[in-house]
Amino acid sequence: EVQLVESGGGWVQPGRSLRLSCTASGFTFGDYVMSWVRQAPGKGLEWVGFIRSKAYGGTTEYAASVRGRITISRDDSESIAYLQMNSLKTEDTAVYYCTRATYSFTYYFDYWGQGTLVTVSS
Amino acid sequence: DIQMTHSPSSLSASVGDRVTITCRASQGISNSLAWYQQKPGKAPKLLLYAASRLESGVPSRFSGSGSGTDYTLTISSLQPEDFATYYCQQYYSTPWTFGQGTKVEI
Repeated sequence: EVQLVESGGGWVQPGRSLRLSCTASGFTFGDYVMSWVRQAPGKGLEWVGFIRSKAYGGTTEYAASVRGRITISRDDSESIAYLQMNSLKTEDTAVYYCTRATYSFTYYFDYWGQGTLVTVSS
Repeated sequence: DIQMTHSPSSLSASVGDRVTITCRASQGISNSLAWYQQKPGKAPKLLLYAASRLESGVPSRFSGSGSGTDYTLTISSLQPEDFATYYCQQYYSTPWTFGQGTKVEI
């Protein structure tokens, strides 16, 4: 059974950093693009970024709203994806979801974690 | 960036109704579109991908169609468990953008 479990969320002051983890199980983690999606309270979904598999260079893409402040990385030996967030702003307050991106005719997010809440506030 | 626009933003419907939600892209996305369902406090759930392909385990009352810039999600006979918010997302080019969602209410 595929599972994605996020951790590392919590309360943080503006300007500080936070690292989220996504621990995966039930599939060959290294074969997949892993992505992060966030949802501010009462708002819609916002794609944050992804990291390609090592077979495709392990390169990353980010949304403009977070580019320069976040880094997505992966540890295939541990089946963990990370979201490092720096210089946090109040508008980064959201539930952060880890997702697996599968490719069949197009990419899509077939599995989602339960989400972890990040609250940025003084 | 490709903008995705849902229509309507919300709708009221009854059990048994046929419901259609439209998602329009700001440029052609070649069927690189997925639909998700989200219930309050829960993670989104994949319904369809590549515009019209039903994810395994999703009831056949859900269907998708479209091409170019215009795509639709249809629920043929609304069930009580279908009251939720629905999102489209394009994967044609990064950033992979979501629509703002359509809330289906009683």
